[in-house]
Amino acid sequence: TQLLEQSPQFLSIQEGENLTVYCNSSSVFSSLQWYRQEPGEGPVLLVTVVTGGEVKKLKRLTFQFGDARKDSSLHITAAQPGDTGLYLCAGAVGRDDKIIFGKGTRLHILP
Amino acid sequence: DAGITQSPRHKVTETGTPVTLRCHQTENHRYMYWYRQDPGHGLRLIHYSYGVKDTDKGEVSDGYSVSRSKTEDFLLTLESATSSQTSVYFCAISSAGGSYNEQFFGPGTRLTVL
Repeated sequence: TQLLEQSPQFLSIQEGENLTVYCNSSSVFSSLQWYRQEPGEGPVLLVTVVTGGEVKKLKRLTFQFGDARKDSSLHITAAQPGDTGLYLCAGAVGRDDKIIFGKGTRLHILP
Repeated sequence: DAGITQSPRHKVTETGTPVTLRCHQTENHRYMYWYRQDPGHGLRLIHYSYGVKDTDKGEVSDGYSVSRSKTEDFLLTLESATSSQTSVYFCAISSAGGSYNEQFFGPGTRLTVL
């Protein structure tokens, strides 16, 4: 069974601080995605990374795909209350590129 | 926002009753998915469809069936609901099934089975 482990499960920090959350697996993924989900809503795609070592930036969010395409990180600079939410990573794996999701990191930014 | 709607948005039912959830899209995307989201388990794939009348099982398909008679509609049926099927159900769509399998999610249906 391919698993995506996300850490930490929960993170509560003050506005303005930096943070990094992680997504790890023993499997190699053809692509990896990060989603953010707010209460009462469906997940919304933030980014897709495809190439090992790839780095993508989305304003204050930096996403990196590991060189071996088994892990990824999301770094947020100067966190703001609007960053609060559940962050999910999802990897495409196997011949038919099925997507599997991690359990998520619940992030709470305190004003 | 991708045009995906789910109905109903909330439902309470009793054990043993049949339940059908509907997902409707206006994007003409080929792929449609049903997930359930539970605390401690994250999002888990129930069934998916890669075209009209073409469906396949996901990792938690037992107790669920699906149908897709039109591109825009994907139905999830619980033939005889059980309390373990209490969950939030999300439909998702995508235009491709390859490495750029970017999914757009509906707003979810909260199902409670008493």
